[in-house]
Amino acid sequence: DIVLTQSPASLAVSLGQRATISCRASKSVSTSGYSYVHWYQQKPGQPSKLLIYLASNLESGVPARFSGSGSGTDFTLNIHPVEEEDAATYYCQHSRELPYTFGGGTKLEIK
Amino acid sequence: QVQLQQSGADLAKPGASVKMSCKASGYTFTNYWMHWVRQRPGQGLEWIGYINPSTDYTEYNQKFKDKATLTADKSSSTAYMQLSSLTSEDSAVYYCARWPYAMDYWGQGTSVTVSS
Repeated sequence: DIVLTQSPASLAVSLGQRATISCRASKSVSTSGYSYVHWYQQKPGQPSKLLIYLASNLESGVPARFSGSGSGTDFTLNIHPVEEEDAATYYCQHSRELPYTFGGGTKLEIK
Repeated sequence: QVQLQQSGADLAKPGASVKMSCKASGYTFTNYWMHWVRQRPGQGLEWIGYINPSTDYTEYNQKFKDKATLTADKSSSTAYMQLSSLTSEDSAVYYCARWPYAMDYWGQGTSVTVSS
């Protein structure tokens, strides 16, 4: 199975600053010009919300302050400028091959 | 608008089975795979598997191969997941999610508590 390692496990960012979350895969999740990594946001007691798909594509309705990048084994989710409502846990997931595993999550606190 | 309405919370005894539902509306049910995800209390997300409602083709995470069974009813646009031989380790919230290229719409989750 492909293991996704997210870092840091938690971070605190001041309002208006940048939050950067890393997702590293145990093997390449890119092929044929696509990177099969997706990013989700989850708030307590709620289902997850898709933010970014295929590494860098912004899901419809998601604010442009969210952006994704990366290829191969290293991927990044950036949030800038951070807002109060961005306090949540963020997960990466791959769909390169079965099983479609998730990263362990990164909890974002807004200072 | 797209909605995935999941069945209510379930309390089951160890060794029993539960079957939960995920009713889709607002889109053509057979055009999108339906995925299922587990989240134990205070833990992260685990991918269980998916079903193609058009063909009933399924794929499972090997970890859940003997635990979960995915089915779908095209006539009612409803996906189902049955969990068998329940233990306390199966106590969790289970989500269904539509998949066009990632999980773009999620159900509200079904909480399963396994207790004697």
